[in-house]
Amino acid sequence: DSGVTQTPKHLITATGQRVTLRCSPRSGDLSVYWYQQSLDQGLQFLIQYYNGEERAKGNILERFSAQQFPDLHSELNLSSLELGDSALYFCASSGQGVSYNSPLHFGNGTRLTVT
Amino acid sequence: ILNVEQSPQSLHVQEGDSTNFTCSFPSSNFYALHWYRWETAKSPEALFVMTLNGDEKKKGRISATLNTKEGYSYLYIKGSQPEDSATYLCAFPGDNDYKLSFGAGTTVTVRA
Repeated sequence: DSGVTQTPKHLITATGQRVTLRCSPRSGDLSVYWYQQSLDQGLQFLIQYYNGEERAKGNILERFSAQQFPDLHSELNLSSLELGDSALYFCASSGQGVSYNSPLHFGNGTRLTVT
Repeated sequence: ILNVEQSPQSLHVQEGDSTNFTCSFPSSNFYALHWYRWETAKSPEALFVMTLNGDEKKKGRISATLNTKEGYSYLYIKGSQPEDSATYLCAFPGDNDYKLSFGAGTTVTVRA
């Protein structure tokens, strides 16, 4: 158990809808990362927060947004959903603001299916 | 765009045999190199974080080496066991040390 909690585990929704994925980092970790894994793709970096502030952005669509709250949990909001947004979304946390020397601890992921 | 490349994409190993595979990364502006193991139906799990040229790390039968000057890291599995079957990912922070980019992985299947 990594200590990172993601909810829900599974989400099935229709095109055009909006969903919110939630992540609680490991106790004491200040950084939260979001990754997307689509079919036959590797882990694609979306966005990273440290102690409530956005630190890095990857290839995150404009329809997607995220935030990290004062209690350090994070939410990833996906709107105007398309079939291609179906993927496994991982949240990971690490202890330090600088990622390079701190391993990531991954949650179990949220499986999003857009129909 | 940062290219972290892993090879081979997949390999099959007989139980008891040893194996190794490669992660290649740009050798300029090196910060660190991460290795993760990702078992089917689970989430990626950190194996090593390597920061210094010539670093060698070991965890049980799995070890890794790092060459930052030529931009590669090797992961070794000694005496492979069926439980070593997984996808092994390396990750590299690129021009922004907060942005950890993952390679596509090497999928190892150990045959009993």
